[in-house]
Amino acid sequence: AQSVAQPEDQVNVAEGNPLTVKCTYSVSGNPYLFWYVQYPNRGLQFLLKYITGDNLVKGSYGFEAEFNKSQTSFHLKKPSALVSDSALYFCAVRRSGNTPLVFGKGTRLSVIA
Amino acid sequence: DSGVTQTPKHLITATGQRVTLRCSPRSGDLSVYWYQQSLDQGLQFLIQYYNGEERAKGNILERFSAQQFPDLHSELNLSSLELGDSALYFCASSAGGMSAFFGQGTRLTVV
Repeated sequence: AQSVAQPEDQVNVAEGNPLTVKCTYSVSGNPYLFWYVQYPNRGLQFLLKYITGDNLVKGSYGFEAEFNKSQTSFHLKKPSALVSDSALYFCAVRRSGNTPLVFGKGTRLSVIA
Repeated sequence: DSGVTQTPKHLITATGQRVTLRCSPRSGDLSVYWYQQSLDQGLQFLIQYYNGEERAKGNILERFSAQQFPDLHSELNLSSLELGDSALYFCASSAGGMSAFFGQGTRLTVV
């Protein structure tokens, strides 16, 4: 069975500083990895995905994520955080193309001006 | 806008009652997924339908059921509601199994 761990419940970062939100996964076979963001009282918005290819994937709003197979990690990064990036971030994995996403518990990002 | 529509946005009902949540997937998406989001359990997968057929089942209670209709919209039926069923219920859809796009959710409050 697949699983995702987001080791930090909360990440605080100053505006303009780089941010990292951590994610590790467990899945048999090649992973399909995703990041989603949830703003208050809103649904989940897709940020980016890794299926195959380049280990560094770029997504929406200036976010990127690095796939590391040896460390089974898929950390979300942004070079310069904005206050508007404050939200709940979810990492997710699926085993193959048409299977359900399995989510981590989420990391609340707070960007302080 | 993800293209996935969920109705209603909010629902308040009493314990023991039954409710139906509705989801219209993005145009052309054959897969529909239902998730429950509660404060202590995070996002829990409930059930998946693909082109009208049940494809996968997660942590769905026996009091809950779902179906997907020929026009691909889906309904999640929750019965004998308990206080602990209060949560956000999300529907997501995908085509070809790549990225899943989520609706805005239905906030269910059981009183």
